[in-house]
Amino acid sequence: GAVVSQHPSRVICKSGTSVKIECRSLDFQATTMFWYRQFPKQSLMLMATSNEGSKATYEQGVEKDKFLINHASLTLSTLTVTSAHPEDSSFYICSARPTGATDTQYFGPGTRLTVL
Amino acid sequence: LAKTTQPISMDSYEGQEVNITCSHNNIATNDYITWYQQFPSQGPRFIIQGYKTKVTNEVASLFIPADRKSSTLSLPRVSLSDTAVYYCLVGDDGDSSYKLIFGSGTRLLVRP
Repeated sequence: GAVVSQHPSRVICKSGTSVKIECRSLDFQATTMFWYRQFPKQSLMLMATSNEGSKATYEQGVEKDKFLINHASLTLSTLTVTSAHPEDSSFYICSARPTGATDTQYFGPGTRLTVL
Repeated sequence: LAKTTQPISMDSYEGQEVNITCSHNNIATNDYITWYQQFPSQGPRFIIQGYKTKVTNEVASLFIPADRKSSTLSLPRVSLSDTAVYYCLVGDDGDSSYKLIFGSGTRLLVRP
């Protein structure tokens, strides 16, 4: 149990295009999901907290208009990187906290984004 | 959020016991200590969580002294597949606003 999936697992796009990444909790509901970004050889950096039915909360320094987050259901959150540029190339990871639970979060397998 | 400090890297050999210590001097009363493992190009994987004393599961043990200002993750008889980055995090996951903030982690290399 407690599986989180991400789609796509990797994506290559041209500079200026937008890319959508999906995060799904497969066997549990998640009121709260989180989006992280990780550059090579670095730690995970929290970008935003995604709350079902409400606006996401962004960490300081993260552009909310560039990284659009939608959490339309209890099992799905999406991250859209708008007008992507090469510096947005990174490993994007989501995590989900089971609704009503106070235990740990479960992480997705990550999405590798490469912007040419 | 309590800040954690871990060694940047550690080396070991197959079959040895590995102990990774994490300092969290400012840990709060309600904070738990959680360890994650991450392989390259994968999401972090939960290893173990504890509040005080000792916790053991099928993968690892977690030792927490009485003052809770540090914790030690113990991996018994490591294998090559244990080569990964290990993250120590502290926080109150009973708080609905709790969010995991990752530190630098410890890069463990297990040699044959």
